[in-house]
Amino acid sequence: KNEVEQSPQNLTAQEGEFITINCSYSVGISALHWLQQHPGGGIVSLFMLSSGKKKHGRLIATINIQEKHSSLHITASHPRDSAVYICAVLPNYGGSQGNLIFGKGTKLSVKP
Amino acid sequence: DTEVTQTPKHLVMGMTNKKSLKCEQHMGHRAMYWYKQKAKKPPELMFVYSYEKLSINESVPSRFSPECPNSSLLNLHLHALQPEDSALYLCASSPRGLLGQGRDWTTNEKLFFGSGTQLSVL
Repeated sequence: KNEVEQSPQNLTAQEGEFITINCSYSVGISALHWLQQHPGGGIVSLFMLSSGKKKHGRLIATINIQEKHSSLHITASHPRDSAVYICAVLPNYGGSQGNLIFGKGTKLSVKP
Repeated sequence: DTEVTQTPKHLVMGMTNKKSLKCEQHMGHRAMYWYKQKAKKPPELMFVYSYEKLSINESVPSRFSPECPNSSLLNLHLHALQPEDSALYLCASSPRGLLGQGRDWTTNEKLFFGSGTQLSVL
């Protein structure tokens, strides 16, 4: 069993739809990252959070530490949101500093 | 300057060649990372330098040799690579050393990634 599981693996949406991507993890963590990777490679860090909720523009990330679950929401989705979204956790056990555990990613396609 | 710059963007090399990948940041970040990413897979950590010292080496073959000449620059020297080493090589940095390390670490700290070098080994 992977330590970080994302769902769905693939997601197709129509422009304007509300999108949710889920991430569940099995280890104790210091923090959780949401990353965005466009075709061609570069990765952008969207959020890093350890509790509660963060919002940036149309993106909202929430985390429930007790349930070991996080969600990334995109409101009013747009074709430019098409990308792979990756959840990554920073474990809190000794020796894990700097070593993120990555989920396999969710490929999002938003159609006009 | 809030960028991590990687050069070259694309590299094709033979199995007997020696080449180097370069990564540069001028944000004053004190940790720099090399990741390898195969198509449709998540990144895999290779090396981390924190305060210019090698802190993590994830059992990477010796044909990959990292170098951190100063706090702004990170190189990855390549020699005698195999076709299976073809991948996207990503560099990243974080502000205050390894993520999660040190009493000043906060959850506001993020990784900053470069756009990667797409490497093909023939």
